[in-house]
Order: sequence, then structure tokens, then C-alpha cells
Amino acid sequence: NAGVTQTPKFQVLKTGQSMTLQCAQDMNHEYMSWYRQDPGMGLRLIHYSVGAGITDQGEVPNGYNVSRSTTEDFPLRLLSAAPSQTSVYFCASSYADGRPLHFGNGTRLTVT
Amino acid sequence: AQKVTQAQTEISVVEKEDVTLDCVYETRDTTYYLFWYKQPPSGELVFLIRRNSFDEQNEISGRYSWNFQKSTSSFNFTITASQVVDSAVYFCALRRHNQGGKLIFGQGTELSVKP
Repeated sequence: NAGVTQTPKFQVLKTGQSMTLQCAQDMNHEYMSWYRQDPGMGLRLIHYSVGAGITDQGEVPNGYNVSRSTTEDFPLRLLSAAPSQTSVYFCASSYADGRPLHFGNGTRLTVT
Repeated sequence: AQKVTQAQTEISVVEKEDVTLDCVYETRDTTYYLFWYKQPPSGELVFLIRRNSFDEQNEISGRYSWNFQKSTSSFNFTITASQVVDSAVYFCALRRHNQGGKLIFGQGTELSVKP
């Protein structure tokens, strides 16, 4: 079982570049979400999805887009990277309401 | 508003000491879920425990135990006889009922266990 797979593990971007962080899960989970982790701030929710075709904003959505065309995949797009988006990004999925989230191993993004 | 507070930013103990990590939460919901996650130096997030708001029974798993008290809105985590491998950042989190994959995290407590 692969669980939640995130790619890439590391990425360096220049200001203004765009990119997509990939997230895939093989557990047939309905719920998927993206978080960013910054020092001293815990993890903050960027976007989430409760099923294919349904997405919604979290606490810090500005500068990011998501789509959910399949149950398995939930990519996160950075439209025009900014230094403030330097962070560690985690994708997560869960089976049903109230169940634990399963996290990917994270993507460390640096924007220069 | 929903909020999770972990007032202890860093804790340092010597191996074999007991240590308690505090977690206080705020919610007006009657149905909710509480979690603890461990983030070792390697960076992944490891699920430790889940509690729903109707289950106040304390839980013990090996050297780990959790004390859930709705009266004080607290969900504290105790490690007995700490070991160096317990060194990690620990996060407490709150999930509201019927809110999809939305987890509200505390800021985390960095535990350092020295030999």
C-alpha cells in the first residue's frame, strides 16, 4: 500500500514561476486536503475536497488553486510563486468524517 | 471559533522522565474529534490517537497515555519513562463533525529527550 504519495520531495522556484505539487492516494478516500507548515504556526489548511468535483478553500488559499477530477488525485497549483510561499506542504486524505487523516511525506518548497 | 492551543513550545527532559504535553481546545460544537500526531526529525506526520467528543475514557498505549477532559476542554498527552526516540514535534488537532478533511492544528510542542 502506497498510501498518500506526494511529488516532488523538494523544489526550488524563482519568484513568478508556476508549478504543480502532485498528490495521489490509493485508499479510495473521499476526503483530501492540502496543508502548509511554517515554523511556530503548526499546519494550516490551504484547500480541501470532500469528493471528486468538489473543492473548497481553507484558511490560507490565496495564491493556490486545486481541482479534483478523480478520487485518487488532488494536485495543488501555485499560480505565481512568491517568497511567502516558501514552506513545507503536506497532502492528506481520510476515509470518512471524523477519521484520522493520512499524510504524505511532504514537499519542501523554496521560492527565491 | 475553533482553536487549539499548545502552550508549551519546547520541552526538554532527560531519558526515563515522565512528560506531559498540554492541549487545550475551543469549540462550540457538541460533536467533534481530537487527534494527536507525532512529527519526528525525518518530517513525516504519524497518527497517534483519535478521540470523539462523546468518549471521555482515558487511553493507554504502552508508554503513552491520553487524558481527555471536556470540563476543561483539554486533551493532554503523557509519555511515561521517555526515550530518546520520543524526541519529535507533537501536534494536537481538532476536527469538527461534517467538515470534510479540515483539521485545526495547535502550534506544536517540540520534545527533546536527552540521554
